[in-house]
Amino acid sequence: GQQVMQIPQYQHVQEGEDFTTYCNSSTTLSNIQWYKQRPGGHPVFLIQLVKSGEVKKQKRLTFQFGEAKKNSSLHITATQTTDVGTYFCAGELAGANSKLTFGKGITLSVRP
Amino acid sequence: NAGVMQNPRHLVRRRGQEARLRCSPMKGHSHVYWYRQLPEEGLKFMVYLQKENIIDESGMPKERFSAEFPKEGPSILRIQQVVRGDSAAYFCASSRTVADTQYFGPGTRLTVL
Repeated sequence: GQQVMQIPQYQHVQEGEDFTTYCNSSTTLSNIQWYKQRPGGHPVFLIQLVKSGEVKKQKRLTFQFGEAKKNSSLHITATQTTDVGTYFCAGELAGANSKLTFGKGITLSVRP
Repeated sequence: NAGVMQNPRHLVRRRGQEARLRCSPMKGHSHVYWYRQLPEEGLKFMVYLQKENIIDESGMPKERFSAEFPKEGPSILRIQQVVRGDSAAYFCASSRTVADTQYFGPGTRLTVL
């Protein structure tokens, strides 16, 4: 079946460093969404990308949808301790009115 | 506009008992999803329901687990004869349409003693 993959599962950075993570799908996606879950919390919607090559920014976070609509990236500039948490991507299979498929997430820790 | 509500927030059960988890979707949302999250792990899809219908239960264990979303009232995830391995956070999410943004509830933390 369709898979949405996020590797690695954990990443540790020094505060102030940049951070980039990727999300890859085995099939073309209609759209991709990103969610963030703080420790002890629940996933919260961050953003949705729909168009091929689309780039969206939220303050220090930059999201990109690949040209082939099979991958996406999240880049955080100058990480802060408030960025800690697990970031999930979720994709909808193209051509099918189907539910989102979530990746396993990447847990980011930031050393002050 | 209230968000997705789940209760109870914490539930403790002894092995062999039943656990009932409730989820009230956001107003205007007719699609409900249940996920399980084990400590230090990602979200695992369990079941997707619309009013009175189970659409996709490919992530549900074959035994002891069931879910419903009646015409009136919240969605219920029911776990019979709980075992220690059922201890996890169970999240419910709702959306307006099938692939729309999912809004998550605060989760129910189930502990099986």
